[in-house]
Amino acid sequence: GAVVSQHPSWVICKSGTSVKIECRSLDFQATTMFWYRQFPKQSLMLMATSNEGSKATYEQGVEKDKFLINHASLTLSTLTVTSAHPEDSSFYICSAREGGDYSNQPQHFGDGTRLSIL
Amino acid sequence: GQQVMQIPQYQHVQEGEDFTTYCNSSTTLSNIQWYKQRPGGHPVFLIQLVKSGEVKKQKRLTFQFGEAKKNSSLHITATQTTDVGTYFCAGKEAGGFKTIFGAGTRLFVKA
Repeated sequence: GAVVSQHPSWVICKSGTSVKIECRSLDFQATTMFWYRQFPKQSLMLMATSNEGSKATYEQGVEKDKFLINHASLTLSTLTVTSAHPEDSSFYICSAREGGDYSNQPQHFGDGTRLSIL
Repeated sequence: GQQVMQIPQYQHVQEGEDFTTYCNSSTTLSNIQWYKQRPGGHPVFLIQLVKSGEVKKQKRLTFQFGEAKKNSSLHITATQTTDVGTYFCAGKEAGGFKTIFGAGTRLFVKA
């Protein structure tokens, strides 16, 4: 089956640090990648959608200068949390999908990254 | 904008009892997908429904897509402890490209 690798799985860092999270599709081409934030026992909050080679589309209320997304290849997308603060502490999950905006293909999720800002 | 509502928020059942979660969209959907997230894990794709009135089965799981393509349900027969987790529906608005996830239903199964 389709595998998505996300790392690191756990990050603890000081306030003000920038943190980069990688999301890789290992055995398929991920034309579209999604970045979610999930709070404990809650649903997935979509942060942004990125198509390979294009700028990411951010959801309302998500600061694009705070959460930098790069999707430079069909197998890799990165999320950089710039100048992270304690309120950015959360569980971040990426997912990848074959096909573009109108694709009906399912999303395949990474294992998530638990980010803790001290 | 499009909203996808899912109920119940959580449900406790005794092992062997049945379980159903319901998903309702504010707009007509082109398809609906179902995912399962085990505690501590990531969401895993279960199935996709596309046709009006479609019913699909996976062992003890039965998935339905409403005639109007605005609602869906997931029914588990004779739950087992391995069914524990959160079940999410995700709907794509007809003619649109965004897939919206429901809030999920968390299932607890007591042995």
